[in-house]
Amino acid sequence: AQKVTQAQTEISVVEKEDVTLDCVYETRDTTYYLFWYKQPPSGELVFLIRRNSFDEQNEISGRYSWNFQKSTSSFNFTITASQVVDSAVYFCALRITSGSARQLTFGSGTQLTVLP
Amino acid sequence: GAGVSQSPSNKVTEKGKDVELRCDPISGHTALYWYRQRLGQGLEFLIYFQGNSAPDKSGLPSDRFSAERTGESVSTLTIQRTQQEDSAVYLCASSHTLGVDTQYFGPGTRLTVL
Repeated sequence: AQKVTQAQTEISVVEKEDVTLDCVYETRDTTYYLFWYKQPPSGELVFLIRRNSFDEQNEISGRYSWNFQKSTSSFNFTITASQVVDSAVYFCALRITSGSARQLTFGSGTQLTVLP
Repeated sequence: GAGVSQSPSNKVTEKGKDVELRCDPISGHTALYWYRQRLGQGLEFLIYFQGNSAPDKSGLPSDRFSAERTGESVSTLTIQRTQQEDSAVYLCASSHTLGVDTQYFGPGTRLTVL
């Protein structure tokens, strides 16, 4: 079975601070995909990034960056120079590729509050 | 283009009543998923449709829950004899299934069972 753990339930930072959201996953599959989604107060999940298990290269997109470390089964998400609009719940998710299961296994989410 | 749409956005019902929730996937997406999100929690998988294949119902919590999909179009999630523990946001997602299938989510239906 798959499992995703987001140990940080809530994080509060002041605008312009950097913040890292942790994600640790468990799977026996060797091929899988990892995702991050953002859920703003409006409620709709917004896709941020997808990473496959064979690509450990870190990725940067504007103020967002992701650090994938297979050795520690972690896929952490960093927001640089946070802004109030970054306030949301962030979910990490895992999908395996073996068998017919195609659903995402989600972590419990991290509520990020960025204070002005 | 248009994203995933869901209706109604909010539904309040009385315990014991049946409810139907609707999902319109992104045009051309062959896969459709239903998830449930209880207050303050992550998403739980309920059911998955792929084309004309038999759906994966492994996440349905009880036989009170069922879902249908017409071809590669609209899906309806039905909850019979609703219970208070069914109160949650029900989210629908759709994806291509060619290659990596990133799931794109709708705005959800907030169900409150009184």
